[in-house]
Amino acid sequence: AQKVTQAQTEISVVEKEDVTLDCVYETRDTTYYLFWYKQPPSGELVFLIRRNSFDEQNEISGRYSWNFQKSTSSFNFTITASQVVDSAVYFCALRAYSGAGSYQLTFGKGTKLSVIP
Amino acid sequence: NAGVTQTPKFQVLKTGQSMTLQCAQDMNHEYMSWYRQDPGMGLRLIHYSVGAGITDQGEVPNGYNVSRSTTEDFPLRLLSAAPSQTSVYFCASTQGQGQPQHFGDGTRLSIL
Repeated sequence: AQKVTQAQTEISVVEKEDVTLDCVYETRDTTYYLFWYKQPPSGELVFLIRRNSFDEQNEISGRYSWNFQKSTSSFNFTITASQVVDSAVYFCALRAYSGAGSYQLTFGKGTKLSVIP
Repeated sequence: NAGVTQTPKFQVLKTGQSMTLQCAQDMNHEYMSWYRQDPGMGLRLIHYSVGAGITDQGEVPNGYNVSRSTTEDFPLRLLSAAPSQTSVYFCASTQGQGQPQHFGDGTRLSIL
């Protein structure tokens, strides 16, 4: 069985501050994929990034960066110079072999980020 | 680009009623899933399908039924609605096991 833990339920930061959202995962599989999704107040789910278990290279996309560390089973997400538009719920998710012949996507409970102007 | 289309967007039911939430995708994706989102619980998998004619249970399947007669459609049926099924329901599709999921806009369902 797999599990994703997002220990931070809610975070508030002042605009332009940096913020890191933590994600810790558990799986016995050696092949797996990790994802981050954003859910703004409007409610839709927006894909941000995917990382597979064989690629530990960190990724940067504009103000967003991700740090994947297999040694600590973590896939943390950092927003640099936060903006009000970053206010949303962020979900970390894991897709690993479920043992039933199909991969199932397991979500963390999400971190609600509020960026205060 | 329609992507994943869910209907209806909102629905209110009485306890014991049945209904079907519709989900259609136009991306020719083999994998489709249904999730429910409850406050503080994240998204939990209800049922999923790896292709037409193939479905399986997820984490919280009780009270729900699915079928996959075509690649495009993956309806979710509530057999006898209960207040515990009040939630936001998301349908998703993906091209492959390692690919990101494309989500519909969700259906907000209230059971009175």
